[in-house]
Amino acid sequence: GAVVSQHPSRVICKSGTSVKIECRSLDFQATTMFWYRQFPKQSLMLMATSNEGSKATYEQGVEKDKFLINHASLTLSTLTVTSAHPEDSSFYICSARDAAGQVNYGYTFGSGTRLTVV
Amino acid sequence: GDSVTQMEGPVTLSEEAFLTINCTYTATGYPSLFWYVQYPGEGLQLLLKATKADDKGSNKGFEATYRKETTSFHLEKGSVQVSDSAVYFCALNTGSGNTGKLIFGQGTTLQVKP
Repeated sequence: GAVVSQHPSRVICKSGTSVKIECRSLDFQATTMFWYRQFPKQSLMLMATSNEGSKATYEQGVEKDKFLINHASLTLSTLTVTSAHPEDSSFYICSARDAAGQVNYGYTFGSGTRLTVV
Repeated sequence: GDSVTQMEGPVTLSEEAFLTINCTYTATGYPSLFWYVQYPGEGLQLLLKATKADDKGSNKGFEATYRKETTSFHLEKGSVQVSDSAVYFCALNTGSGNTGKLIFGQGTTLQVKP
């Protein structure tokens, strides 16, 4: 079936550095990518929505200069956490949707990335 | 705005017990409703869905019925197994069909003991 490959699964970085998270759609074209953040024992909070070839739309309260999203192709979207700080430590999950919303009823999730900033 | 409310967990059950996880929603229009399951350290997997009132979604012994009159989508399973231990999320989409954003409930942790 359709899969979204998300890498890395875990990353530890030093405070002040940047980290890039990749999500690739396999076997389908991801016209839209959703990026979520999940705090321990809490729900998923939508950070931003990106459409291929367009600028991402960020949810209220999400710093666009800190969380850079690139969706330059139909199979790859990236989230870069810039100048990371310990409070950015979290579980980040992407979700891809094809144009018709048919694959997995429109939402195929990556396996998540555990970011720890030390 | 649109929202989803789930019963607070954790829910702890013995193997073969009956499971109910309550979910209610607030939405304009007629959203599709979903249940997702998240195993430790993993992403979300679609468990079941329903797209219109009175639809029943089912998968792996789990069921949920879209109740428009009570704005509910409660998850049930007749006999849980240890392998069902996970976090369960109720969600709705904000657009028509399969468009729009997914809005999640806060998640309910299920622990099944042998």
